[in-house]
Amino acid sequence: TQLLEQSPQFLSIQEGENLTVYCNSSSVFSSLQWYRQEPGEGPVLLVTVVTGGEVKKLKRLTFQFGDARKDSSLHITAAQTGDTGLYLCAGVGPGGGADGLTFGKGTHLIIQP
Amino acid sequence: DTAVSQTPKYLVTQMGNDKSIKCEQNLGHDTMYWYKQDSKKFLKIMFSYNNKELIINETVPNRFSPKSPDKAHLNLHINSLELGDSAVYFCASSQDTGTGVYEQYFGPGTRLTVT
Repeated sequence: TQLLEQSPQFLSIQEGENLTVYCNSSSVFSSLQWYRQEPGEGPVLLVTVVTGGEVKKLKRLTFQFGDARKDSSLHITAAQTGDTGLYLCAGVGPGGGADGLTFGKGTHLIIQP
Repeated sequence: DTAVSQTPKYLVTQMGNDKSIKCEQNLGHDTMYWYKQDSKKFLKIMFSYNNKELIINETVPNRFSPKSPDKAHLNLHINSLELGDSAVYFCASSQDTGTGVYEQYFGPGTRLTVT
């Protein structure tokens, strides 16, 4: 069974600070996806990383896929209160995405004004 | 237009009852899923359904059964509900773009409470 470990589980910081969320596994994933979920809603896809070493930027968010495709990170620069939410990483295993994704347990992020 | 919709949004029922949750997607995707999110927000795949092929997570009790009347719908039927079934259930859909990535589009969730 492939597992994804996310850290930290909870993070509360002041607006304007930077932060990094980590997603680690002992297994290789063909791709990793990051989702953001707000209370009472379903997760929404932020980005997909496919190639080892890949870096993708989405405004103030920077996503990185490890060279060995076992880990990923999400870095937020100058956090804003609107970044508050649950961040989930999810991996596509060797069986392919048609089997569904393996999710990490999430990082609850609170940005305080 | 809502891409993936679920009904009902909230479902409160007693132990032993049978209930269904409906899901519809208007994205033209060929794969649909059911996920369960527990009280700690851990999201776990229950089923995926692609071109009439059902893939079941081995940990899902056989009281849970997905039913797909057509490509745009995947309903979840639950028999003999138990207290431990209380959770938020998410329907999702995806389309294989040829890369094997299958980005998921989630519905708003159904909060099931079993009393």
